[in-house]
Amino acid sequence: DAGITQSPRHKVTETGTPVTLRCHQTENHRYMYWYRQDPGHGLRLIHYSYGVKDTDKGEVSDGYSVSRSKTEDFLLTLESATSSQTSVYFCAISGTGSYEQYFGPGTRLTVT
Amino acid sequence: GNSVTQMEGPVTLSEEAFLTINCTYTATGYPSLFWYVQYPGEGLQLLLKATKADDKGSNKGFEATYRKETTSFHLEKGSVQVSDSAVYFCALREGNDYKLSFGAGTTVTVRA
Repeated sequence: DAGITQSPRHKVTETGTPVTLRCHQTENHRYMYWYRQDPGHGLRLIHYSYGVKDTDKGEVSDGYSVSRSKTEDFLLTLESATSSQTSVYFCAISGTGSYEQYFGPGTRLTVT
Repeated sequence: GNSVTQMEGPVTLSEEAFLTINCTYTATGYPSLFWYVQYPGEGLQLLLKATKADDKGSNKGFEATYRKETTSFHLEKGSVQVSDSAVYFCALREGNDYKLSFGAGTTVTVRA
């Protein structure tokens, strides 16, 4: 199994609070991604990174920001959480020359 | 833009039954196509892939053939087991883009 961990695995937070989710990899892969999974929508890309400090927006980036200061860590921040951001968040990684993405175990976030 | 359409679930089958999950896609070029599987409580993992027209991907008894003329990549398994109960996602990647576009997912439940 690819070495990807996500923390926390579960979180309940209140509307308006900031939340940061962490993705950590031990594979030294160049590309990292954040997705959200919602019923009826499959997985939708929030942000992705193609190197340290190199990030770009996905299809549902509003209300989210990311940072990647080290190869192994990719942080997703909800600046002011809303109930519409209640979801399961998955991190994924892929290496240069290989298009297969490896997924972390997910973080279940509930915004009340 | 790119998009993937999967048959809606849920799908419930008896053990040893034949499984088909339909997937069609829209892309501007010549995408690579993937099936990912998500077992309960886990992240997604690659099940099989095909990178050009008429390629057949196969793994764990599952097969899918890349049909350019019908823009389809249907997943099939001849005899399912209870352990095949999962959510199945069709996905595509276009050209050299490392990002994936996912379908909505199809939940499959196999009963003993």
